[in-house]
Amino acid sequence: ETGVTQTPRHLVMGMTNKKSLKCEQHLGHNAMYWYKQSAKKPLELMFVYSLEERVENNSVPSRFSPECPNSSHLFLHLHTLQPEDSALYLCASSQGSSYNSPLHFGNGTRLTVT
Amino acid sequence: AQSVTQPDIHITVSEGASLELRCNYSYGATPYLFWYVQSPGQGLQLLLKYFSGDTLVQGIKGFEAEFKRSQSSFNLRKPSVHWSDAAEYFCAVGRNTGFQKLVFGTGTRLLVSP
Repeated sequence: ETGVTQTPRHLVMGMTNKKSLKCEQHLGHNAMYWYKQSAKKPLELMFVYSLEERVENNSVPSRFSPECPNSSHLFLHLHTLQPEDSALYLCASSQGSSYNSPLHFGNGTRLTVT
Repeated sequence: AQSVTQPDIHITVSEGASLELRCNYSYGATPYLFWYVQSPGQGLQLLLKYFSGDTLVQGIKGFEAEFKRSQSSFNLRKPSVHWSDAAEYFCAVGRNTGFQKLVFGTGTRLLVSP
């Protein structure tokens, strides 16, 4: 599946670093999502952008800052993270106007905060 | 509030045997239901979905699921498991609000023994 591409695949960062995760979708979708996947917990929806406007922000700490410059690209800017932020971060996209459009996921970025 | 329960954390099945993964949901309206599969190091891939109509839905890789409203269940089945089916399986419930607003279960890890 190459419809949703995430970079980097792995990232190790210190608590004082600033880094960004990138997501690009080639499916012509108009909604993009960031999910956090931690061990033994359900996937947590972090942010949703629909038509490049943020429509969902699920009480995510301000050390996570999303950016959606256009309908094909989504970023997650990270700064002063905590060790508990270590997780797999998944990007997804869907065609928001179509009830029949499920989520298409990227392969994720495995983030380790030291 | 909507929720999804996958009661089995791990299941081990012999290759060639049948499989059933359980999913129970709580949702106030007619739900949209999904099963996703995640192989190690990968994102989630859609196996099948139910929106309406026939309560037995067919998916990819020989999987099927049956929606039972009276039991609030959407169990995933496969008649004969292959070693390549070893992965983690996630059930999700939600609705399309202009974007897909999904709640995921905690997942069931399938192990396939020779």
